[in-house]
Amino acid sequence: QKEVEQNSGPLSVPEGAIASLNCTYSDRGSQSFFWYRQYSGKSPELIMSIYSNGDKEDGRFTAQLNKASQYVSLLIRDSQPSDSATYLCAVNRDSNYQLIWGAGTKLIIKP
Amino acid sequence: GAVVSQHPSRVICKSGTSVKIECRSLDFQATTMFWYRQFPKQSLMLMATSNEGSKATYEQGVEKDKFLINHASLTLSTLTVTSAHPEDSSFYICSARQASSSYNEQFFGPGTRLTVL
Repeated sequence: QKEVEQNSGPLSVPEGAIASLNCTYSDRGSQSFFWYRQYSGKSPELIMSIYSNGDKEDGRFTAQLNKASQYVSLLIRDSQPSDSATYLCAVNRDSNYQLIWGAGTKLIIKP
Repeated sequence: GAVVSQHPSRVICKSGTSVKIECRSLDFQATTMFWYRQFPKQSLMLMATSNEGSKATYEQGVEKDKFLINHASLTLSTLTVTSAHPEDSSFYICSARQASSSYNEQFFGPGTRLTVL
């Protein structure tokens, strides 16, 4: 079992709809959770971070964390073609500051 | 805020030469920086963790004598690929963690695309 798991996709969503991306992790001691967006040929960009159970909203993005079920999700409302990218889930679990990365979900927003 | 730069953005070199890549945190102090490598259509692979003023910690399978890392200040880390070969051609990306952060988020530089001929 991988430490951080994501469906590789591609996930195809029509423009204007809600895109839902999911991530599960294996270590219950994990403390911090992040979503990064990576466009093809570019480096990752931090779009959301979440540290406590519940929802965190920032513009069109909502991150959801459920530590009991060990999953974190990202919702993108009013999806735009520019949201088409690979979304990486990352988890920090220990004091050496390293992030454990999922393999990423490729999201395609269809006009 | 939290801007990380990398230089050069692209480099082409001959086999056997050495290449130095710089990673700078522009508006924050970074006690910890990370170096990643990413091959086309593959996941990020952590190469090493660099702490200011101390030796880097390399991941298993990464040759420390081939990939020299120096983190001499709170805003600069360098990666030198020594005696580069075509199989070292890849996208090298650095990230930095803010010294003042409690949450360990990493901010990435734009990456350096290395092509070894």
